[in-house]
Amino acid sequence: TQLLEQSPQFLSIQEGENLTVYCNSSSVFSSLQWYRQEPGEGPVLLVTVVTGGEVKKLKRLTFQFGDARKDSSLHITAAQPGDTGLYLCAGAPHNNGNDMRFGAGTRLTVKP
Amino acid sequence: DTAVSQTPKYLVTQMGNDKSIKCEQNLGHDTMYWYKQDSKKFLKIMFSYNNKELIINETVPNRFSPKSPDKAHLNLHINSLELGDSAVYFCASSQDLGNRGLGTQYFGPGTRLLVL
Repeated sequence: TQLLEQSPQFLSIQEGENLTVYCNSSSVFSSLQWYRQEPGEGPVLLVTVVTGGEVKKLKRLTFQFGDARKDSSLHITAAQPGDTGLYLCAGAPHNNGNDMRFGAGTRLTVKP
Repeated sequence: DTAVSQTPKYLVTQMGNDKSIKCEQNLGHDTMYWYKQDSKKFLKIMFSYNNKELIINETVPNRFSPKSPDKAHLNLHINSLELGDSAVYFCASSQDLGNRGLGTQYFGPGTRLLVL
């Protein structure tokens, strides 16, 4: 069992559709991060959420941290082919920033 | 300039060989990491170094040994390579924020290791 469970594992949608991906845990995190990884490259940080119930927006991407700080979601509005990639959530148990744990990721494909 | 660089980008080698992957960061960060990403894209931490001291050492075979000559470099040496070592290895760095939360992890481009 992984510390951070992501769903769905794969998602294929048409351009213009909306989608939500989830990151869940039975553990409480002081903060969670979302990264996006494109083929052949390393992950790149999108956002860090630190307060329970917090909502952060990054253009068409909306990130939410659960009230209990055990889960997070990423919502994309009007998806575009450029959004295609692997979305990873990450957190550090016991607030030890040197011990980052990643979820298995959601692989998103947006078709034109 | 590339913030986190790794060499080589591709590495194809025979089972039983010894190989090294080099990593350098020019961000002035005090913590560096090695991650392994398998064929299913699962990214797992292997080692974490802070100021040249090993902080995290996940359950990896002792054939893997990180070496940090200075704060800007963290190399990964692998002895007696096995087929199951084939994966993409990512180096990363971050600034330790202590109990102030998670710092941003900056990843290198990855080293694609194939053991034949």
